[in-house]
Amino acid sequence: DAMVIQNPRYQVTQFGKPVTLSCSQTLNHNVMYWYQQKSSQAPKLLFHYYDKDFNNEADTPDNFQSRRPNTSFCFLDIRSPGLGDAAMYLCATGAGETQYFGPGTRLLVL
Amino acid sequence: GENVEQHPSTLSVQEGDSAVIKCTYSDSASNYFPWYKQELGKRPQLIIDIRSNVGEKKDQRIAVTLNKTAKHFSLHITETQPEDSAVYFCAASINGNKLVFGAGTILRVKS
Repeated sequence: DAMVIQNPRYQVTQFGKPVTLSCSQTLNHNVMYWYQQKSSQAPKLLFHYYDKDFNNEADTPDNFQSRRPNTSFCFLDIRSPGLGDAAMYLCATGAGETQYFGPGTRLLVL
Repeated sequence: GENVEQHPSTLSVQEGDSAVIKCTYSDSASNYFPWYKQELGKRPQLIIDIRSNVGEKKDQRIAVTLNKTAKHFSLHITETQPEDSAVYFCAASINGNKLVFGAGTILRVKS
């Protein structure tokens, strides 16, 4: 089941201190997604890549950026985390219609 | 854009009973409807999906039905077991792009 890997599983950062979350996949899927999931809520799409084409959701804060250097890896950069950014961040890959989620990184902002 | 509503928000059933969760969607162009199960602290896992050219799909104890005209789809779990307890999310998309999730249903199976 380790086809979508996220590191670290838990990340603690300080208010305003940049943090990077990483995702890798062994599936060679051309689409990669980043979701934010807060407690007791549904996953919310932040952005996705179709190959190298970046697609940002209209309501994704400017504080969130992403990089995809190659097919296997995708990064989520939070430039100045606020307390409201504490959440689970889920990476997913897709080929065709089905999306496969990674285990997530739980971010804590102190 | 697409909007997905999911009901109920919580559902308690006795072990062995059936559970039904319902979702409605707004965009008639949506054609792919997956269901995810998420246990506490774990990733969402795809349990079943249905495409708009099919009215019903079954996989052992779980089934999904789709009514395109009414724009609603439902998850049916029969013979529920304690390990079915989790949060269930429905979603809708066009060709699998940009899943829009329902708010989730907390299912509790009491033994």
